[in-house]
Amino acid sequence: GENVEQHPSTLSVQEGDSAVIKCTYSDSASNYFPWYKQELGKRPQLIIDIRSNVGEKKDQRIAVTLNKTAKHFSLHITETQPEDSAVYFCAASWAAGNQFYFGTGTSLTVIP
Amino acid sequence: NAGVTQTPKFQVLKTGQSMTLQCAQDMNHEYMSWYRQDPGMGLRLIHYSVGAGITDQGEVPNGYNVSRSTTEDFPLRLLSAAPSQTSVYFCASRPGISNQPQHFGDGTRLSIL
Repeated sequence: GENVEQHPSTLSVQEGDSAVIKCTYSDSASNYFPWYKQELGKRPQLIIDIRSNVGEKKDQRIAVTLNKTAKHFSLHITETQPEDSAVYFCAASWAAGNQFYFGTGTSLTVIP
Repeated sequence: NAGVTQTPKFQVLKTGQSMTLQCAQDMNHEYMSWYRQDPGMGLRLIHYSVGAGITDQGEVPNGYNVSRSTTEDFPLRLLSAAPSQTSVYFCASRPGISNQPQHFGDGTRLSIL
């Protein structure tokens, strides 16, 4: 099955700086890569996703990049704010499969 | 639209007791799944269903049973609770069309004494 690795496990940045979280996957058949944000005690919520037919996707301060050759994808958050503090999870799945494979999460702290 | 609804939100059980965690969705999603979340281990898939009457095992199915008699409901049963099953449980659903995001419920925090 698929194996998704996520780094770093914890990340602290100053408010206004950028944050980058990286994930690698093992199955070249994977073609859908969502990112979820989970605040303390809350449900995971989708913040952005990318499909393998594109290399980059942006939504305001959040962007995701995908390198299919190297089998890695990254989340970029610019101009970080204290409300960006949360745990972020990456995931991978493939069209004919029925399972999402999650990374182990990155705890992001934005220091005011 | 309530989305994905999980009950109860909190539960404490004694070792050996059984219980059912409820999950319902009102989005007519074909795909439903159960995850457990433990510190440092992310979300691990327990069981999933691609439609009414169809279920399959995920990564960590031992000690859990599921059934899917309707599109809306996907209950998770613990047959004989063990302390190792202390965790936060999330139910999720998505449309049957592939490459769509999952929508999560609020979770059930379960403690086994």
